[in-house]
Amino acid sequence: QQQVKQSPQSLIVQKGGISIINCAYENTAFDYFPWYQQFPGKGPALLIAIRPDVSEKKEGRFTISFNKSAKQFSLHIMDSQPGDSATYFCAATFTRYNQGGKLIFGQGTELSVKP
Amino acid sequence: EPEVTQTPSHQVTQMGQEVILRCVPISNHLYFYWYRQILGQKVEFLVSFYNNEISEKSEIFDDQFSVERPDGSNFTLKIRSTKLEDSAMYFCASSGAGGKETQYFGPGTRLLVL
Repeated sequence: QQQVKQSPQSLIVQKGGISIINCAYENTAFDYFPWYQQFPGKGPALLIAIRPDVSEKKEGRFTISFNKSAKQFSLHIMDSQPGDSATYFCAATFTRYNQGGKLIFGQGTELSVKP
Repeated sequence: EPEVTQTPSHQVTQMGQEVILRCVPISNHLYFYWYRQILGQKVEFLVSFYNNEISEKSEIFDDQFSVERPDGSNFTLKIRSTKLEDSAMYFCASSGAGGKETQYFGPGTRLLVL
């Protein structure tokens, strides 16, 4: 019920291409869906986040698409660059309730952008 | 830019020994978290801490684990008697008074239990 499923596990994209990573969740009480980027040896860093009352959010080359009825959301990286090569995690959490705000992470996607 | 810091960056210990992992959250933040990441796996929630008490903990966070905010700036994770399976990267995170949403992660402590 509290799982977040992420795919693919790894992704190779050519420079300039579009990277697409998908996530699915079960618990409709989740109300905040962030994406984190992690470089080797570093902690996860917040990339972009969305709430379920909007269907899309764009920040620069990064876009989240959100499908509430399907309980799915995805990260699109436009014009992918070698510097985008990292592991990407989707996550979900509850913020409206009197809970600690724990993040439930997906399995991660290792993105490699080839020059 | 303010950041979460963690010490040590690496820790090697013998099975059964106690370890204390230290974190300095961002100074005006109110919510504090520990997560762990076993090599090659996803990041897993351990515990959240607010108003000087645990607000939520996972099944992983058993009696061998404890957290403390001893002096208003540090936030520590203690593992009383380490097991081999405690080997992982441990991340501290904090979020601010504006809400729990944006959690800022530290660089992590890599713990190796031999």
